[in-house]
Amino acid sequence: AQSVTQPDIHITVSEGASLELRCNYSYGATPYLFWYVQSPGQGLQLLLKYFSGDTLVQGIKGFEAEFKRSQSSFNLRKPSVHWSDAAEYFCAVGAVNNAGNMLTFGGGTRLMVKP
Amino acid sequence: GAVVSQHPSWVICKSGTSVKIECRSLDFQATTMFWYRQFPKQSLMLMATSNEGSKATYEQGVEKDKFLINHASLTLSTLTVTSAHPEDSSFYICSARQSAEAFFGQGTRLTVV
Repeated sequence: AQSVTQPDIHITVSEGASLELRCNYSYGATPYLFWYVQSPGQGLQLLLKYFSGDTLVQGIKGFEAEFKRSQSSFNLRKPSVHWSDAAEYFCAVGAVNNAGNMLTFGGGTRLMVKP
Repeated sequence: GAVVSQHPSWVICKSGTSVKIECRSLDFQATTMFWYRQFPKQSLMLMATSNEGSKATYEQGVEKDKFLINHASLTLSTLTVTSAHPEDSSFYICSARQSAEAFFGQGTRLTVV
């Protein structure tokens, strides 16, 4: 069964500083990998996804993530954080060739941004 | 991207009553939709997979008779929380799949008093 671990429950960074949110997954084959952002009381917005090809993927709002198969990781990065980036971030893995395409989510990382 | 609309955004109901939550794919057809539950400050837990024209597939530990799912058309799935109790209070989120990507509704905050 697939699983996702986000080791950091909370992260606080200063506005303008760089950001890296960690994500480790467990899956027996090539995974689909996703990062979502959730503002309080809202649904999830897709930031970026990895299916295949280039292991460095670019997303919206200046985010990027790098798929590292050897480390089973898909860390999310942003070079300069803005106050509006404060939210909850979820990493998710989807099964390849799964007709149901079920997503398994990590526990989430709450990002706080200091002025 | 594709749009998934969830209604209502929030609802308060009395204990013992039933509440229906709708999930619609606005600009695409979705043969499969998913229902998640999210407790405060926690991740999303898959409750069930809703399949158009057939019975939903429930995750282990989810009561089928309590959380009724109907997927009568390619653009609409509904989740009915029957005989709601305060412990059912939660944030419920649906998603619909288009190709290999899932799109999420904005969620429904259910409070049972």
